[in-house]
Amino acid sequence: DIQMTQSPSTLSASVGDRVIITCRASQSVSSWLAWYQQKPGKAPKFLIYKASTLESGVPSRFSGSGSGTEFTLTISSLQPEDFATYYCQQYDTYPYTFGQGTKVEIK
Amino acid sequence: QVQLEESGGGVVQPGRSLRLSCAASGFTFSSHGMHWVRQAPDKGLEWVAVISGDESKKYYLDSVKGRFTISRDNSKNRLYLQMNSLGSEDTAVYYCARGPTGAIDYWGQGTLVTVSS
Repeated sequence: DIQMTQSPSTLSASVGDRVIITCRASQSVSSWLAWYQQKPGKAPKFLIYKASTLESGVPSRFSGSGSGTEFTLTISSLQPEDFATYYCQQYDTYPYTFGQGTKVEIK
Repeated sequence: QVQLEESGGGVVQPGRSLRLSCAASGFTFSSHGMHWVRQAPDKGLEWVAVISGDESKKYYLDSVKGRFTISRDNSKNRLYLQMNSLGSEDTAVYYCARGPTGAIDYWGQGTLVTVSS
């Protein structure tokens, strides 16, 4: 199975900060990578697919990059509603796998 | 708008079975691959299974192969997950999700399955 490793696991940041979350795959997943945001008690929300394509309706402060085994999710200017847990997911090979999550906390 | 609503969760004893159901609306159900994803209490997301729109392809997480069966009824716009031989490791919120390309674009609100004696 492809292992997805996110770093950091927890990130403390302030409103207006630029935030970068990294996701590494144990083998190449090409660009078949998605990002999700999850708030406590809620279902995940789809943010980005194919590593860098923003889902419709997602604010432009979110961006994704990378290919192969190394990917990043960047929030250019953190807003109060962005405090949440973020997950990457590879959909190159079954079984699909998620990273362990990165919790973005208020500093 | 796309809506996915799970049902069928609850408390079940170890070794017993449970069937989850997901009612889909707001899109052409038969044209989309559908997934089940679970999340154990205070843990991360874990992909469980996928079924193609025409039901011809099904894939599973290794740890549920032989115990769980994903199926769908396109005439009723419903997705199912039959879970047998349940163990404590299966305790989780189970999400029904739409994934036409592998990336999951819509999620239900989830149904909680608790395996406990």
